[in-house]
Amino acid sequence: NAGVTQTPKFRVLKTGQSMTLLCAQDMNHEYMYWYRQDPGMGLRLIHYSVGEGTTAKGEVPDGYNVSRLKKQNFLLGLESAAPSQTSVYFCAGRGWRKETQYFGPGTRLLVL
Amino acid sequence: KQEVTQIPAALSVPEGENLVLNCSFTDSAIYNLQWFRQDPGKGLTSLLLIQSSQREQTSGRLNASLDKSSGRSTLYIAASQPGDSATYLCAVRFTGGGNKLTFGTGTQLKVEL
Repeated sequence: NAGVTQTPKFRVLKTGQSMTLLCAQDMNHEYMYWYRQDPGMGLRLIHYSVGEGTTAKGEVPDGYNVSRLKKQNFLLGLESAAPSQTSVYFCAGRGWRKETQYFGPGTRLLVL
Repeated sequence: KQEVTQIPAALSVPEGENLVLNCSFTDSAIYNLQWFRQDPGKGLTSLLLIQSSQREQTSGRLNASLDKSSGRSTLYIAASQPGDSATYLCAVRFTGGGNKLTFGTGTQLKVEL
């Protein structure tokens, strides 16, 4: 099993460009999460999903959109990237009635 | 506001020492508390999860305790090794917070030879 994987590992964008980050899991997780990690601020929840076809806003959703068309995949989109979105993005998943979250390796995004 | 705090931000100890990492949270109404480990440039790995009804959990050389009334948790690492060097994060699922985990900013641990 690959667990939770993220694509790409690193990306550089110019202000105003768009991109999609892909999170894939083969652990049959019902819940999936997108976090961003910034120095001195800990991990903050962007959006999450409680099942296929569902999404919900987290703590810092502005500037991001998500989709969960298939249970295995959770996509995070940036429609118009801003330098403030420079961060490390982590995806995580957990099973139904399970509390432990399993994290992907992260995507480093630099917006110039 | 529901917050999680970890002090100190960094800690350096000699190999073999027993050590304690601290986590405090502002609201005692919690569902559970988790400790994670993060190696540089990597994702988070779950170490221990304590349900609100539990006082402690143990895994190998790690022991995590929970005191809801005082809003504190500790992670005890016995006989530290250089391989324990990493950042340790505490995360709380507050009751009424839905599916959200609130993370502390972590303690960066360095175990020196």
